[in-house]
Amino acid sequence: LLEESGGGLIQPGGSLRLSCAASDFIVTSNYMTWVRQAPGKGLEWVSIIYSGGTTHYADSVKGRFTISSDNSKNTLYLQMNSLRVDDTAVYYCARVSHYGDSLRDFDIWGQGTMVTVSS
Amino acid sequence: DIQVTQSPSFLSASVGDRVTITCRASQGISTFLAWYQQKPGKAPKLLIYAASTLQSGVPSRFSGSGSGTDFTLTINSLQPEDFATYYCQQLYSYPLTFGPGTEVDIK
Repeated sequence: LLEESGGGLIQPGGSLRLSCAASDFIVTSNYMTWVRQAPGKGLEWVSIIYSGGTTHYADSVKGRFTISSDNSKNTLYLQMNSLRVDDTAVYYCARVSHYGDSLRDFDIWGQGTMVTVSS
Repeated sequence: DIQVTQSPSFLSASVGDRVTITCRASQGISTFLAWYQQKPGKAPKLLIYAASTLQSGVPSRFSGSGSGTDFTLTINSLQPEDFATYYCQQLYSYPLTFGPGTEVDIK
């Protein structure tokens, strides 16, 4: 089970940190990812972190968002800085299945947390 | 970047129908493709991975096929709970990309 938190209303240029708490498995032993969905739109991949710490980002958030995880809290994070109106979306965390470094699918998803960027 | 397209974008069908959704990648992705189902207000749910492997617990009326650039999701004997939006996703290279979705509605 994954449970996101930390969403809310934020002004453009502001910062927000999303959390994704896991039960039933260890976050830092898995590959984990963030996906977002703007209102009425499709799914957009945001970022991924490997169990070894390697990270990748979508170009739309590179340099503004940072993915990380905390073993003691068994939680995944997404630090979002310099937020823009077009970052408005439901943000989902998910576990990533993989064979070595080959990704297979996103098999467990949280329920999502809404981030609204507006003045 | 690998672009992923889906067709149709909208499909109207009846209970019991056989439904086929097509997904196309802009370059070869072997079988690094997954399919998801999403219902309004809910998180996506994994249906198929590696293009054709059914996720545990998913009904056998769902099936996937394809490799390279062309893939299909088939739903045999559509059930009321299958009315939803379906997304394909390529996991071959970054950035990971989803198709735009296919909404399956009740005729």
